[in-house]
Amino acid sequence: NAGVTQTPKFQVLKTGQSMTLQCAQDMNHEYMSWYRQDPGMGLRLIHYSVGAGITDQGEVPNGYNVSRSTTEDFPLRLLSAAPSQTSVYFCASSYRGRNEQFFGPGTRLTVL
Amino acid sequence: DQQVKQNSPSLSVQEGRISILNCDYTNSMFDYFLWYKKYPAEGPTFLISISSIKDKNEDGRFTVFLNKSAKHLSLHIVPSQPGDSAVYFCAASDSYGGATNKLIFGTGTLLAVQP
Repeated sequence: NAGVTQTPKFQVLKTGQSMTLQCAQDMNHEYMSWYRQDPGMGLRLIHYSVGAGITDQGEVPNGYNVSRSTTEDFPLRLLSAAPSQTSVYFCASSYRGRNEQFFGPGTRLTVL
Repeated sequence: DQQVKQNSPSLSVQEGRISILNCDYTNSMFDYFLWYKKYPAEGPTFLISISSIKDKNEDGRFTVFLNKSAKHLSLHIVPSQPGDSAVYFCAASDSYGGATNKLIFGTGTLLAVQP
C-alpha cells in the first residue's frame, strides 16, 4: 500500500494564480481531510470529507475549495492564490469513527 | 482561541533520561486525545492515544497521562533515544467514534535528545 500520497511536493505560485493540490489514499478510508501547517500555529483543519460526495468546512476554509467524487481522491483547489496561503499542506485519511489519521508527506506551497 | 495548547516550544533531554511533553486543553467536550510525531519534511505519524474514560495508556517506551480535572495531558518517553528527536503534536477530538474525525492540534513541541 502506498498509503496517503500528495502531489506536488513543492510549488511556487504568483498571486492570483490557481492550482490544485492532489491527495490520494489506497486504504479505502471514508474520512479525508486537509490541514495547513504554519510556524507557531500547529496544524489547522481546512476542509474534510466523511465520504464520497460529502464535504464540509474546517477551521480555516476561506480561499479553498474541495470535492470528493471518489473514495480515493480528495483534491484541494486554490482559486486565486494569496501570499497568506504560503504554507505546508497535509492531507490525511482514516476509517470513519477512528480518530487516528494517516498523513501524507505534505506539499510546500509558496505564493509570491 | 487556542483550544489545545503546548506551552513549551522546545525541550532538550539527555539520551536515556525521561522526556515529558505537556499539553493543556480548554474544551471540556474533548473525549479523545492523540499524540503525533513529526520529522522534518515528513507528514505527522500517529504515536499514541487515550480516551477520556482512562487516565493512562502505555505503549512500550511511550505513556500518555490524562488529568481531566486539570484539562491536562502529558506524554512520557522513557528512556529517550536520539531517534525520538522530532516535533510532537498533541491533538484532541470531541467526536470519538463519531461520524466526523475532526482533530484540533496544538502548536507542537520540538524535542531534542542529546547523545
